[in-house]
Amino acid sequence: DAGITQSPRYKITETGRQVTLMCHQTWSHSYMFWYRQDLGHGLRLIYYSAAADITDKGEVPDGYVVSRSKTENFPLTLESATRSQTSVYFCASSLAAGGPKTQYFGPGTRLLVL
Amino acid sequence: AQTVTQSQPEMSVQEAETVTLSCTYDTSESDYYLFWYKQPPSRQMILVIRQEAYKQQNATENRFSVNFQKAAKSFSLKISDSQLGDAAMYFCASQKGAGSYQLTFGKGTKLSVIP
Repeated sequence: DAGITQSPRYKITETGRQVTLMCHQTWSHSYMFWYRQDLGHGLRLIYYSAAADITDKGEVPDGYVVSRSKTENFPLTLESATRSQTSVYFCASSLAAGGPKTQYFGPGTRLLVL
Repeated sequence: AQTVTQSQPEMSVQEAETVTLSCTYDTSESDYYLFWYKQPPSRQMILVIRQEAYKQQNATENRFSVNFQKAAKSFSLKISDSQLGDAAMYFCASQKGAGSYQLTFGKGTKLSVIP
């Protein structure tokens, strides 16, 4: 039972480069989310997806692009990385059925933009 | 919009003692859920406990329990018989009952457990 995985776990890149962070879940959860965690801000939602081919912006979407061609994958792309995008990125997924939609998180990707 | 406030950036507790972490929230929704997540040094986000707003009974999970005061919009976490493994960042989060189901997080409380 792999659950939810993220790759790479650590990434160093340079300003202006394109970077893609991968997220894969094996639960067939409908919903998937990308958050970033910065000191003093907690976790903030970047983008989310309700199903394959359905995505929407969260609180801090600028500079990021997402896609979801398959239910199990939800990649996050930084089209032209900036230093302000240095952060820890978490992917999460949840069921869409009734009750609290508990989100299960991946292990995170630490991104450093030089 | 939902907001979540954790007013205690850091707290400490003696091993085997009890500690309470505070959380207040603001929402205009009638249907919502509340969560506490734990983030140990490994940075993995781990669900501790959750509460449906329509339930009056406070949720409990082993040594963890909440004090849910709906009118006051308060959702505190009580950890009993604290253990060294409880040392972590604790995040309070709210979730709308419909729509995007996104989580809105507080800024966290760092809990230290003193042996």
